[in-house]
Amino acid sequence: GAGVSQTPSNKVTEKGKYVELRCDPISGHTALYWYRQSLGQGPEFLIYFQGTGAADDSGLPNDRFFAVRPEGSVSTLKIQRTERGDSAVYLCASPTPETQYFGPGTRLLVL
Amino acid sequence: KQEVTQIPAALSVPEGENLVLNCSFTDSAIYNLQWFRQDPGKGLTSLLLIQSSQREQTSGRLNASLDKSSGRSTLYIAASQPGDSATYLCAPETSGSRLTFGEGTQLTVNP
Repeated sequence: GAGVSQTPSNKVTEKGKYVELRCDPISGHTALYWYRQSLGQGPEFLIYFQGTGAADDSGLPNDRFFAVRPEGSVSTLKIQRTERGDSAVYLCASPTPETQYFGPGTRLLVL
Repeated sequence: KQEVTQIPAALSVPEGENLVLNCSFTDSAIYNLQWFRQDPGKGLTSLLLIQSSQREQTSGRLNASLDKSSGRSTLYIAASQPGDSATYLCAPETSGSRLTFGEGTQLTVNP
């Protein structure tokens, strides 16, 4: 595609539920990043994929968070047993050597 | 761990003014530094990327400088316009193509 797309754009869930957030990167890009942005803060790194494998997952806050990219294109960020503190905008980025192209984000609200 | 500070946190100026946004970072072992723009409810748009070997980059009315040894970068906006109103984020890149973001400067340009 022409840019990075993320679905859903908004997600409201209840504490304790499971959610999946999807990222469609720019076609042909081998690397993919997930970031989390809390209100009034800059984005924070979560995980970096090179192809199908997670090259760096050191930013995932705990074992409730997991991400996959089984075919090296679309990625899914999975959050188990959601907590209110997980509420944030989750951003996906598709990099080139010159820059990183960001998607519009998924705004997650945990009630 | 890289830490990024942006000053000021917020800035309101009349249209036409020249302005400077400041960014400082603690780890000077960076590959490059990017400045991004974020509009409310949107993803990030890359404005300028300065390689670690460069001192500055220019794009239109924007000029970004980098002093890697002192851990500082500035974004200069000439002849500001209302359409420049947004949050500006600074992000040095360290190993693994990982970006560390500051909290941003929220700019308002008044007509």
